[in-house]
Amino acid sequence: GNSVTQMEGPVTLSEEAFLTINCTYTATGYPSLFWYVQYPGEGLQLLLKATKADDKGSNKGFEATYRKETTSFHLEKGSVQVSDSAVYFCALSVSNFGNEKLTFGTGTRLTIIP
Amino acid sequence: GAGVSQSPRYKVAKRGQDVALRCDPISGHVSLFWYQQALGQGPEFLTYFQNEAQLDKSGLPSDRFFAERPEGSVSTLKIQRTQQEDSAVYLCASRPTGLATDTQYFGPGTRLTVL
Repeated sequence: GNSVTQMEGPVTLSEEAFLTINCTYTATGYPSLFWYVQYPGEGLQLLLKATKADDKGSNKGFEATYRKETTSFHLEKGSVQVSDSAVYFCALSVSNFGNEKLTFGTGTRLTIIP
Repeated sequence: GAGVSQSPRYKVAKRGQDVALRCDPISGHVSLFWYQQALGQGPEFLTYFQNEAQLDKSGLPSDRFFAERPEGSVSTLKIQRTQQEDSAVYLCASRPTGLATDTQYFGPGTRLTVL
C-alpha cells in the first residue's frame, strides 16, 4: 500500500535558521507529492507540489525536490520567519481510476522563536 | 472566490446520537473527498465522490458512516449512533478534476466531540 513517513516533531528553530523537514514515501505506482500546511486556527492549504521525478516545487521560499531514487520529498527553507510557525504535512496521491485520494504523514509541528 | 465551506464548525453529540456534517465544495469541482483527522495525526481518507457517484468508500470505519452527494455538489457525511472513538475533525476537500496531479482544496473542518 501507500504510506508517508515524515520527521517527527515538534521542531523549534530561531528566526532566520535553515529548515529541513524530512519526508519519505512508499507507493504502488507513480505518485504526485505534496506539502500541505496548517496555520493555527486555519484549514489545510497546499504549500507546494511536484508531479514527476526531479521536479522541484516551490512557494513562499519553501522548496522540495521529488527524488525517485531515494523516495523522498524533503521540505527546505533557507531562512524561516515567525510566521512560518504551523503544522506541515507531507502527502502523496497515486493515479488510480476511481480514486486518487491523498495519503498523509503524521505532520510536523514547527515553532519559530524570534 | 469562495473556498470549501463546512458546517457546523463544531458539533457536540451524546453517545448514541446521529449527526450530519455538511460540505459545500468549490463550484464546478468534480471530485469531493472526506477525511477524518484524529488529534495529532494526519488526515485519513474516508470516501470519494466523482460528481454524484461514490467511487470509493473503503475508508469508512463502519456501517454507521454514510456519505452522499446526490446532485454532484453539496455532500453530507452522516454518522449514526455516534461512539466516543468517532471524536475527530472531519475534513472535506474538493478538486477541479479527477486527476491525481491536481490540487485538493480543503475546508476548515468540523470538530466532532462525542461525550
